[in-house]
Amino acid sequence: ETGVTQSPTHLIKTRGQQVTLRCSSQSGHNTVSWYQQALGQGPQFIFQYYREEENGRGNFPPRFSGLQFPNYSSELNVNALELDDSALYLCASSRTGGGEKLFFGSGTQLSVL
Amino acid sequence: DAKTTQPTSMDCAEGRAANLPCNHSTISGNEYVYWYRQIHSQGPQYIIHGLKNNETNEMASLIITEDRKSSTLILPHATLRDTAVYYCTGSTGGTSYGKLTFGQGTILTVHP
Repeated sequence: ETGVTQSPTHLIKTRGQQVTLRCSSQSGHNTVSWYQQALGQGPQFIFQYYREEENGRGNFPPRFSGLQFPNYSSELNVNALELDDSALYLCASSRTGGGEKLFFGSGTQLSVL
Repeated sequence: DAKTTQPTSMDCAEGRAANLPCNHSTISGNEYVYWYRQIHSQGPQYIIHGLKNNETNEMASLIITEDRKSSTLILPHATLRDTAVYYCTGSTGGTSYGKLTFGQGTILTVHP
């Protein structure tokens, strides 16, 4: 059974650029959630994808968008990067009926200069 | 979602029980309490969850007060590898399924 994998592990971008982060969910899991974790803070919910559609969103602007593919993998896209977008981005997968028992990847560390 | 309050940090001696408290006085009747931990440079790891009954699994025990306004996570025999940030959070599932609200958590340091 493979766990949640994220790529890349580290990324450096410049303000105003766009970035795409990728996530492969754990085998058997059909739901993917994305979280942003600033240094020294707890993770903050960005959005969740289920059956290839957004299924709940946190307090993040529209320039944060995502996709889920038929194999349940997912992408997080951030446009017009700002300095405050520098954070660890975490992907978590879960299965229907699994409640909030989420399985997290190790994250992508994004630095915006 | 319930607002949770946890101590900023705690220490525990290796081999002893670690008791981590969480206050969730605004929790609603159908809201589960979840505990996760995050070891440095890794993603959060699920530990345990409960609604109103005490729960135990291979990692920990969860004690929820009768009024459900607080809970305690118990690591019965802490090891150095249990040093991590521990988060208590609540979730009702349903339309907020998969959405967890994490606070700043408790930094648990287990020392020899």
